[in-house]
Amino acid sequence: DTGVSQDPRHKITKRGQNVTFRCDPISEHNRLYWYRQTLGQGPEFLTYFQNEAQLEKSRLLSDRFSAERPKGSFSTLEIQRTEQGDSAMYLCASSPFGGQINYGYTFGSGTRLTVV
Amino acid sequence: GDSVTQMEGPVTLSEEAFLTINCTYTATGYPSLFWYVQYPGEGLQLLLKATKADDKGSNKGFEATYRKETTSFHLEKGSVQVSDSAVYFCALSSLTGGGNKLTFGTGTQLKVEL
Repeated sequence: DTGVSQDPRHKITKRGQNVTFRCDPISEHNRLYWYRQTLGQGPEFLTYFQNEAQLEKSRLLSDRFSAERPKGSFSTLEIQRTEQGDSAMYLCASSPFGGQINYGYTFGSGTRLTVV
Repeated sequence: GDSVTQMEGPVTLSEEAFLTINCTYTATGYPSLFWYVQYPGEGLQLLLKATKADDKGSNKGFEATYRKETTSFHLEKGSVQVSDSAVYFCALSSLTGGGNKLTFGTGTQLKVEL
């Protein structure tokens, strides 16, 4: 069990560019979550998957954001036409079925995005 | 909607001091309550949880009691150490929120000095 891995750890991009982040959950976890954390704030829910199905999306997830988990294992989060307001830490978490209430999430270390 | 309010930081304490970080919540129904900790450069880690009223969660000397009458889940530790320096997040999960996501407070930074 190597925990939840996120790549890259840091990303600096110019406004208007597209970026993609990857998350590798704990292998036996079938639920995967994406959160966004801005400076001085708590994480905010973006979306979650159960296996390959995306079951819920936050209103924070504008049409510039898309998340996939094609084979029910790793997930990608893409942001198109980045804006300065997208600068944040993007956190991935995973859990077994039954989720955080029974087991808690396991969070990755996050990808810090800076849009210049 | 669901919300969590935490005391603002930073909280600065001397080693072996008593710690309280206040957390209150708003949610319909009976949410589950959590404390997460984030050490510098690391992801969030579940510290403790309570799933029903009057439950006490505990871990690593930290405790929190689910108080439905005051909608609170205050974090306490009797004697803090320098290694406890981190950011602490109170969070809830409720069925009306879908039961599948956490609503976090803004976090409270704790600094423990020798």
